[in-house]
Amino acid sequence: EADIYQTPRYLVIGTGKKITLECSQTMGHDKMYWYQQDPGMELHLIHYSYGVNSTEKGDLSSESTVSRIRTEHFPLTLESARPSHTSQYLCASSELNYGYTFGSGTRLTVV
Amino acid sequence: KNEVEQSPQNLTAQEGEFITINCSYSVGISALHWLQQHPGGGIVSLFMLSSGKKKHGRLIATINIQEKHSSLHITASHPRDSAVYTCAVKYYGGSQGNLIFGKGTKLSVKP
Repeated sequence: EADIYQTPRYLVIGTGKKITLECSQTMGHDKMYWYQQDPGMELHLIHYSYGVNSTEKGDLSSESTVSRIRTEHFPLTLESARPSHTSQYLCASSELNYGYTFGSGTRLTVV
Repeated sequence: KNEVEQSPQNLTAQEGEFITINCSYSVGISALHWLQQHPGGGIVSLFMLSSGKKKHGRLIATINIQEKHSSLHITASHPRDSAVYTCAVKYYGGSQGNLIFGKGTKLSVKP
């Protein structure tokens, strides 16, 4: 049973549209992350948060933005989607001394 | 050069075989994670290690901090073990909470 939920699982959208990928967790974890993964490649961190009202950019440059208004919710927004944004986006959370819990991911295709 | 190297990239085994997947890293780490992703599925965290060895069912993970090396073993492999197995390290320095991921090992277990 997943404790971290991502929606939608799959999304095909036209260029220029604004999209928000949702991520929610029920474990009360303070730390949450967004990773981007292209097919056959490793995951790269694009955003992370240590708690409410805390967000930071990761090591991989991304045109997306995130917000953390509630502990359990960490949505990722693309203001104007482009084909180069086509990828898989994975949300995760963690707590000190515990492993990471990953969501099932959102496969985004921008046409 | 990737700071986390996994081998092999692809592995095909017969049901019942003993499987080893290797992970080497070049940075100082505070923890190492083994992750599993079934085709079309989400990522599951199998182990978090900072020293020694952990066992869960037919899965065993070991780490040698001095040699900067970890192995994931699967005993009595089964077709349901077919998945991508990824090693990820939590390293000192860089964005706190960031993981560096290997490219994954695609395992296929034939009946």
